Amino acid sequence: GAVVSQHPSRVICKSGTSVKIECRSLDFQATTMFWYRQFPKQSLMLMATSNEGSKATYEQGVEKDKFLINHASLTLSTLTVTSAHPEDSSFYICRLFSPGQKNTEAFFGQGTRLTVV
Amino acid sequence: DQQVKQNSPSLSVQEGRISILNCDYTNSMFDYFLWYKKYPAEGPTFLISISSIKDKNEDGRFTVFLNKSAKHLSLHIVPSQPGDSAVYFCAASADGSARQLTFGSGTQLTVLP
Repeated sequence: GAVVSQHPSRVICKSGTSVKIECRSLDFQATTMFWYRQFPKQSLMLMATSNEGSKATYEQGVEKDKFLINHASLTLSTLTVTSAHPEDSSFYICRLFSPGQKNTEAFFGQGTRLTVV
Repeated sequence: DQQVKQNSPSLSVQEGRISILNCDYTNSMFDYFLWYKKYPAEGPTFLISISSIKDKNEDGRFTVFLNKSAKHLSLHIVPSQPGDSAVYFCAASADGSARQLTFGSGTQLTVLP
């Protein structure tokens, strides 16, 4: 069964509004959660890394005030795209990691297609 | 600077034949390599991995080859099936545990019936 649950799978929002994406671990406690973004026909680019209970670490070029990440527990991380603009339209994917957890390389969410109009 | 490169954006193969997907890397610190398959609007699906202490790993129809001196790895799919049509990403890690992954740009594989 699925280990990672990411919601919503698709969302359309108006420019200037905020969107929250949830990523839940169903079967284990994830010490680290990663958020990726994929533009059409491009690679998965790491946006940020979050460890439970601490502030997220953002990759160069990713605005931390625009992409708010909350990792309040070992089973839930959220990504909020604030004041979304059309250029934020992309496919967002979470990934869970826990050292020593079997098959941890496989724990990706199903992805969220964000369209900002 | 791309540390993991997939120079072929697309590949077409006849059903039943072998598909060979290639990946090159530049970071000599990478010690663990993975292949993922991805359909549009879905998360990646893990296929197979290889540690830098090995040069080959096989799982069913999928075999990954690693040439450390050339900093090159390849994924062989034999026999190819139409359901294999997807985008394939190679990824690399420098911590041996697949914690931090660097992805290639992907190769669209199309298996023709």
